[in-house]
Amino acid sequence: AQSVAQPEDQVNVAEGNPLTVKCTYSVSGNPYLFWYVQYPNRGLQFLLKYITGDNLVKGSYGFEAEFNKSQTSFHLKKPSALVSDSALYFCAVRDLDNAGNMLTFGGGTRLMVKP
Amino acid sequence: DAGITQSPRYKITETGRQVTLMCHQTWSHSYMFWYRQDLGHGLRLIYYSAAADITDKGEVPDGYVVSRSKTENFPLTLESATRSQTSVYFCASSETGVAGTGELFFGEGSRLTVL
Repeated sequence: AQSVAQPEDQVNVAEGNPLTVKCTYSVSGNPYLFWYVQYPNRGLQFLLKYITGDNLVKGSYGFEAEFNKSQTSFHLKKPSALVSDSALYFCAVRDLDNAGNMLTFGGGTRLMVKP
Repeated sequence: DAGITQSPRYKITETGRQVTLMCHQTWSHSYMFWYRQDLGHGLRLIYYSAAADITDKGEVPDGYVVSRSKTENFPLTLESATRSQTSVYFCASSETGVAGTGELFFGEGSRLTVL
């Protein structure tokens, strides 16, 4: 079975400071990993993904994520946070070898960026 | 405009009533999905469809029925609504399935309250 854990319900950061939103995963095969963002009263929007290749993935709005196979982690990062980055962030995984079209989401982390 | 639309956006119903949530996409994506979003659970897959007339169960299918007679539509029916089905429901579509990148495009959600 595949699973995703987002250990922090909320992350608080000051505007201009770097931010990290944590994600760890568990799959039996090779993972496809994703980050999505949800703004209030909206659907989820794709941010970035890791399939293969470079462990540092760059995505939309200046976000990036680092794939670490040994730690089974895929943390979301941004060098300088903006107030407009405040939203709910979801990590998701799909086991390429075993789960068909099942994309498993974490419970979400609320990011609060304060001016 | 191209996109994925859900209706109704808000629905209040009573226990035991039948409710249908509609989902329509204009991209001609092969894959469509229904998720429910609950506090503490993130998003959980209810059903998905790989093409017209092909549907499959997700993680939490009990109490729900889906159909897909046309590629662009994927309605979700609660045949006898229960309070535990109070949730926000998201429809999503994807151009590719197992062989693809798995990026999902989400609708804006349907908030269902069962009294």
